Amino acid sequence: GQQLNQSPQSMFIQEGEDVSMNCTSSSIFNTWLWYKQDPGEGPVLLIALYKAGELTSNGRLTAQFGITRKDSFLNISASIPSDVGIYFCAGPGGGGSNYKLTFGKGTLLTVNP
Amino acid sequence: DSGVTQTPKHLITATGQRVTLRCSPRSGDLSVYWYQQSLDQGLQFLIQYYNGEERAKGNILERFSAQQFPDLHSELNLSSLELGDSALYFCASSVGISSGNTIYFGEGSWLTVV
Repeated sequence: GQQLNQSPQSMFIQEGEDVSMNCTSSSIFNTWLWYKQDPGEGPVLLIALYKAGELTSNGRLTAQFGITRKDSFLNISASIPSDVGIYFCAGPGGGGSNYKLTFGKGTLLTVNP
Repeated sequence: DSGVTQTPKHLITATGQRVTLRCSPRSGDLSVYWYQQSLDQGLQFLIQYYNGEERAKGNILERFSAQQFPDLHSELNLSSLELGDSALYFCASSVGISSGNTIYFGEGSWLTVV
């Protein structure tokens, strides 16, 4: 089935630094989604991308839908302590179904105040 | 608060037992999804229901089953539990049938099998 490879697996940064993480797939996605999961919570949608080449921002977050449709990037600028959490990329499809989301393994972000 | 409600939040049970996890979707959402999150496998899609009917199946074991009731709440039944079933089980909901709709996750039910 489809797999999403997310990197890095974890990041430990200082407050104020910029962060970049990416997600690649062996197959084409028509939608890329980025979620954040705080401890003890469910994933929350941050940004949705629907078109190859699309660049979308949500506050200090910016995500891009790769031209090949097989990758996506998420950047966080001027990180703050509340950015701590696990960031997941996700895309619909896989296993013959357009109804399910396939998730990457996540990037664990730790921000040192 | 996503509006998706899951109970119980935590559950500890013994191997071989059976448990039921409950989910109430957001008001107006017809689609319910179940996901399993474990350290080694990450977030894995289990099953989806739309307006009472099963729509998509993922990596759901035969020991597991789910249903969506006429009031749209859903239950995930896990039987003959094994240690490896210990995980966080999420319910999610969306308005429509396609995962192109925004999917909202509940806070999860943490299952520990001992």
